[in-house]
Amino acid sequence: QVQLVQSGAEVKKPGASVKVSCKASGYSFTNYYMHWVRQAPGQGLEWMGIIDPSGGSTTYAQKFQVRVTMTRDTSTSTVYMELSSLTSEDTAVYYCARSSIVGGTSPGYWGQGTLVTVSS
Amino acid sequence: DIQMTQSPSSLSASVGDRVTITCRASQGISNYLAWFQQKPGKAPKSLIYSASNLQSGVPSKFSGSGSGTDFTLTISSLQPEDFATYYCLQYKTYPITFGQGTRLEIE
Repeated sequence: QVQLVQSGAEVKKPGASVKVSCKASGYSFTNYYMHWVRQAPGQGLEWMGIIDPSGGSTTYAQKFQVRVTMTRDTSTSTVYMELSSLTSEDTAVYYCARSSIVGGTSPGYWGQGTLVTVSS
Repeated sequence: DIQMTQSPSSLSASVGDRVTITCRASQGISNYLAWFQQKPGKAPKSLIYSASNLQSGVPSKFSGSGSGTDFTLTISSLQPEDFATYYCLQYKTYPITFGQGTRLEIE
């Protein structure tokens, strides 16, 4: 079965960077796009970007364009999301989500989430 | 960016009721519309993609319809486990955008 296991909670100081991992199993890693979505406390869902694990190409939401980097490691079936220049506004739960179908871009399977807290 | 507007923002209903949530896109998105359920403290769960296709394992009490700009999610025979927040999402163009959510509460 499809499983996405994310790295553990992080506490960072303002101005620092954070790198969250998402290890995939139960399917062919390079056949499905992977999204990153975040949710601030008590707020809705916000799409950050998408990576094609096959070739590593990415598309980011403009809001995060200069601060986010999404990468993948095909040898370990893991995708990464790094966010730099953190502020308190970046305190949120970060989710990875695999597309539902091959070639599709609708998120279908979700990781458990990683809480990132930014505090001085 | 395509704006997704859900209505209502919150909804009270009783066990056994049938409810409908609406999602409107600011421009046509064909059928590139998905629905998600989220319970407090949990990751979202995908329900429907391509406006009307049930995600694997999702019960048939959930159904979706619509095309273009107007979409609906219908939940029949509400059970206690269905009370949650529901989100729509468009994936026709980047950036992918979510609706603001509809909180379904027990009356």
